[in-house]
Amino acid sequence: SQTIHQWPATLVQPVGSPLSLECTVEGTSNPNLYWYRQAAGRGLQLLFYSVGIGQISSEVPQNLSASRPQDRQFILSSKKLLLSDSGFYLCAWSRGTGNTGELFFGEGSRLTVL
Amino acid sequence: QKEVEQDPGPLSVPEGAIVSLNCTYSNSAFQYFMWYRQYSRKGPELLMYTYSSGNKEDGRFTAQVDKSSKYISLFIRDSQPSDSATYLCAMTSQGAQKLVFGQGTRLTINP
Repeated sequence: SQTIHQWPATLVQPVGSPLSLECTVEGTSNPNLYWYRQAAGRGLQLLFYSVGIGQISSEVPQNLSASRPQDRQFILSSKKLLLSDSGFYLCAWSRGTGNTGELFFGEGSRLTVL
Repeated sequence: QKEVEQDPGPLSVPEGAIVSLNCTYSNSAFQYFMWYRQYSRKGPELLMYTYSSGNKEDGRFTAQVDKSSKYISLFIRDSQPSDSATYLCAMTSQGAQKLVFGQGTRLTINP
């Protein structure tokens, strides 16, 4: 069966510090990978998605970046965090081929920027 | 106008009640429809998946799609306190790489 792991679960970072959130998927090959952000009481905002190694699509301009160094690894980064980067970050995967839309989410990473 | 509209609630009902959650959409190309359940401080989990118009039942949950009206619903029968969560609708079209989500409805079932 497929599983998705995301870490760290919680972190508190000062403004201006770097960020690295990591996500890995097991039990599948060539998945599509996604990073979402969910602000308190609000819906899901798609930040990045990737259909293959080194292929990153950005949905919104911001000081975050994403990388996919391996087929089942997706990393969200920032060089300098802003207060507005606080939120709940979710990694997700879907089937790369025969995709009918189902997304499977990780447990999330809660980021507080002070 | 948003592609997907969902009343954010909050919605509070007594235990045992029938709950109806709804979303409307504007893109007639949407073919795949999903409902996700998200408990507090957790990632969303896929609850129901439907393709084409009609009903799909899974235990106490029924998903309904009306493509002619661009309207989808999730019904929860015999609601339980453990059903308290935020419910998000999501949909996509054939070959699309991304889901379009509703804002989510926060549901509380009172014992």
